[in-house]
Amino acid sequence: NAGVTQTPKFRILKIGQSMTLQCTQDMNHNYMYWYRQDPGMGLKLIYYSVGAGITDKGEVPNGYNVSRSTTEDFPLRLELAAPSQTSVYFCASSGTGVYNEQFFGPGTRLTVL
Amino acid sequence: AQSVTQLDSQVPVFEEAPVELRCNYSSSVSVYLFWYVQYPNQGLQLLLKYLSGSTLVKGINGFEAEFNKSQTSFHLRKPSVHISDTAEYFCAVSDGGDYKLSFGAGTTVTVRA
Repeated sequence: NAGVTQTPKFRILKIGQSMTLQCTQDMNHNYMYWYRQDPGMGLKLIYYSVGAGITDKGEVPNGYNVSRSTTEDFPLRLELAAPSQTSVYFCASSGTGVYNEQFFGPGTRLTVL
Repeated sequence: AQSVTQLDSQVPVFEEAPVELRCNYSSSVSVYLFWYVQYPNQGLQLLLKYLSGSTLVKGINGFEAEFNKSQTSFHLRKPSVHISDTAEYFCAVSDGGDYKLSFGAGTTVTVRA
């Protein structure tokens, strides 16, 4: 089991560029999440999904989009990158229900210059 | 949504000394509580969780936490730390029935020899 994998590990973007952060899980989890982590701010939820074809906004969705065409994959799209999107991005997944812990990927460190 | 406050942003501690990390959350009828650890350049992993029952919860690597409903707190403790416990620790809370987590800002623990 690889768990939750994320690519790329690092990326530098110029202002206005676009990119997709990939996330894949092999645990057959229905729930998947995208967070951003900024120093001293903890983790903020960007988007989440409760199953294939179903996504919803979290706390900080502006400037991002997601899709969930399969149970395994949950890509995060950045359109028109801005310096405020410089952050570390984590993808996570969990089984159904509040009792299930969230499993996190290793993260993607993104810098927008 | 829950508000989670981790009262210490940095905790330096000597090896084999005890450590306590404090976490308070906004009041709710029922909550589920979690502590996650993030080692340098890695994703988050679950240390322990409180769902119901005994207010003293034991986790991995010798950590334990105590749920105090009247004080809306969930403090994490370890009686004797090791160099390998150097990491960032996050308290997280979900309202009963909600699978989404609210995270605190994190506490960085630095263990020195």
